[in-house]
Amino acid sequence: EPEVTQTPSHQVTQMGQEVILRCVPISNHLYFYWYRQILGQKVEFLVSFYNNEISEKSEIFDDQFSVERPDGSNFTLKIRSTKLEDSAMYFCASSRPLTVGAGELFFGEGSRLTVL
Amino acid sequence: AQTVTQSQPEMSVQEAETVTLSCTYDTSESDYYLFWYKQPPSRQMILVIRQEAYKQQNATENRFSVNFQKAAKSFSLKISDSQLGDAAMYFCAYDSLYGNKLVFGAGTILRVKS
Repeated sequence: EPEVTQTPSHQVTQMGQEVILRCVPISNHLYFYWYRQILGQKVEFLVSFYNNEISEKSEIFDDQFSVERPDGSNFTLKIRSTKLEDSAMYFCASSRPLTVGAGELFFGEGSRLTVL
Repeated sequence: AQTVTQSQPEMSVQEAETVTLSCTYDTSESDYYLFWYKQPPSRQMILVIRQEAYKQQNATENRFSVNFQKAAKSFSLKISDSQLGDAAMYFCAYDSLYGNKLVFGAGTILRVKS
């Protein structure tokens, strides 16, 4: 069964460093997402991406964050200058569009980011 | 803004018994989707069941069923004949009709005892 895969599973970085989290969505999916979960808190939406552009983003997704689909298969989340509060589990997801409304999201296992 | 509340941080159930996980939500929209996602330890979140708010009939998927009370904004998940493989974190989630931007509850850890 096709899966969303994420790398790395865990990354430790120093504050101020750039981090790139990678995701390979399911191949025939057209919508891509990043969510994050800070330890002990709810899973939060960061950004959705469709047709090579951001379709929606949350207020968390500030100028320090960017997403791209560099090669038609990978979907990346870049954090330009990490802060301590960026420490979280980051989940990538993808979905097929339905003709109307919400589709089922397929999630990856997550990438745990620890900022020291 | 929409919110989702899961008031049970943890629940336990005996194997083969039935358990109900609670979820309430708040929204001003009249049409939307509600979901239950399951996340086993160190595994992906997977969709368990989906309910369209415009449908009065409660969704069912094999041993999983929901009790959707739109007026009360309540969306509970019932797991019948619980199995050891049901042990996981369960998230209730909301999405607007054209959203694909899920709003999650805090999750309920379900433990299944043999």
